[in-house]
Amino acid sequence: SYELTQPPSVSVSPGQTASITCSGDKLGDKYVCWYQQRPDQSPVLVIYQDSRRPSGIPERFSGSNSGNTATLTISGTQALDEADYYCQAWDSTTDIYVFGTGTKVTVL
Amino acid sequence: QVHFVQSGAEVKKPGASVKVSCKASGYTFNNYAIHWVRQAPGQRLEWMGWIYPGNGNTKYSQKFQGRVTITTDTSTAYMELSSLRSEDTAVYYCAREERNYEEGGFWFDVWGQGTLVTVSS
Repeated sequence: SYELTQPPSVSVSPGQTASITCSGDKLGDKYVCWYQQRPDQSPVLVIYQDSRRPSGIPERFSGSNSGNTATLTISGTQALDEADYYCQAWDSTTDIYVFGTGTKVTVL
Repeated sequence: QVHFVQSGAEVKKPGASVKVSCKASGYTFNNYAIHWVRQAPGQRLEWMGWIYPGNGNTKYSQKFQGRVTITTDTSTAYMELSSLRSEDTAVYYCAREERNYEEGGFWFDVWGQGTLVTVSS
């Protein structure tokens, strides 16, 4: 089955840049989206189609996808960005929607 | 605006079944697939399956095949999970799929508030 792997945790100082990776076989050939999930809340879409931001999502969120790795970048990280982040892709071979293992972002 | 309201928390015994509902509003219900995703305590999001209300087509994760049934009526989607075990204790979410048919790609743009299902003897 298709797997997406993320680092368990990322720490960042306020105002600095946080980068969260998502790795999967030939992931660059698929579209990736990213979700933010604050404690005890439902996930919120922050990036879709690799790099597009939904309306209402701050410009400090950006995404890229190439080769085997997709990356979510949070520039000028703020305390309210502290949350879990999940990548997601669709495996066309099995018609299965896959979530990444999740990354906890801590703003120190 | 687009909104999902899910049914309330459930407590079930092992071996029982649970049916969670997800009432949609603010858009044409039949035009978008609805997915079900669950999250066990402290664990990652886990995709369970989807339904396209327009024609009733469904697809389930192999992990849940044979135990999960996703249905719809009017503007409500349902997820029924049978033969419950303690490992099924989780928050269950419904989510709407948006898709770019020209360029490809999909995303879950609206999520329900989640329904906690606890399986305990």
